[in-house]
Amino acid sequence: DTGVSQDPRHKITKRGQNVTFRCDPISEHNRLYWYRQTLGQGPEFLTYFQNEAQLEKSRLLSDRFSAERPKGSFSTLEIQRTEQGDSAMYLCASSLPGQGAREQYFGPGTRLTVT
Amino acid sequence: KQEVTQIPAALSVPEGENLVLNCSFTDSAIYNLQWFRQDPGKGLTSLLLIQSSQREQTSGRLNASLDKSSGRSTLYIAASQPGDSATYLCAVFGYSTLTFGKGTMLLVSP
Repeated sequence: DTGVSQDPRHKITKRGQNVTFRCDPISEHNRLYWYRQTLGQGPEFLTYFQNEAQLEKSRLLSDRFSAERPKGSFSTLEIQRTEQGDSAMYLCASSLPGQGAREQYFGPGTRLTVT
Repeated sequence: KQEVTQIPAALSVPEGENLVLNCSFTDSAIYNLQWFRQDPGKGLTSLLLIQSSQREQTSGRLNASLDKSSGRSTLYIAASQPGDSATYLCAVFGYSTLTFGKGTMLLVSP
């Protein structure tokens, strides 16, 4: 399977703990996006990488959130000191390089539950 | 700030009906518009991508149209099937990211 993969698929953690999610994009895609989706809502943009450069961050990405893409391939999203409000589906997407906007392909998501 | 609205929020139809899902957006400065399907608890599957210069795209029983000047898109599903039951999301690509609507939850009954 050469699609976008995410790990883990599910994570249950206690409030105050740190969690880290991983995303592996489609191999030739140099753009990688993170979104968050809560129940009954559409996904909301968190951050975006082109190669290893983090080009944009949403106001939703508080200081407790950090994302990296060290070698321009896989990316990690870390949440420190988790809160119950962080419970959501975290989605990763990737797209081809080139000018303008390209079709985004999404992974299966990581569902986070903070108890 | 871009806002995307989808109507209706939910739709229930008997198998075989043709149906239309609506999407509107407030800022017409978009690069493209994508329609996605999401099954419960799953990720998003891209259905159709319409570039801003295009008026419509077709894939099988699906046809999506785009009227950028009026800020509207429609997704037409022909001869609906129970397997089409899912949430359908519309998203527009502006400066650097997708902005999503809340989706239309579709239920097709046998």
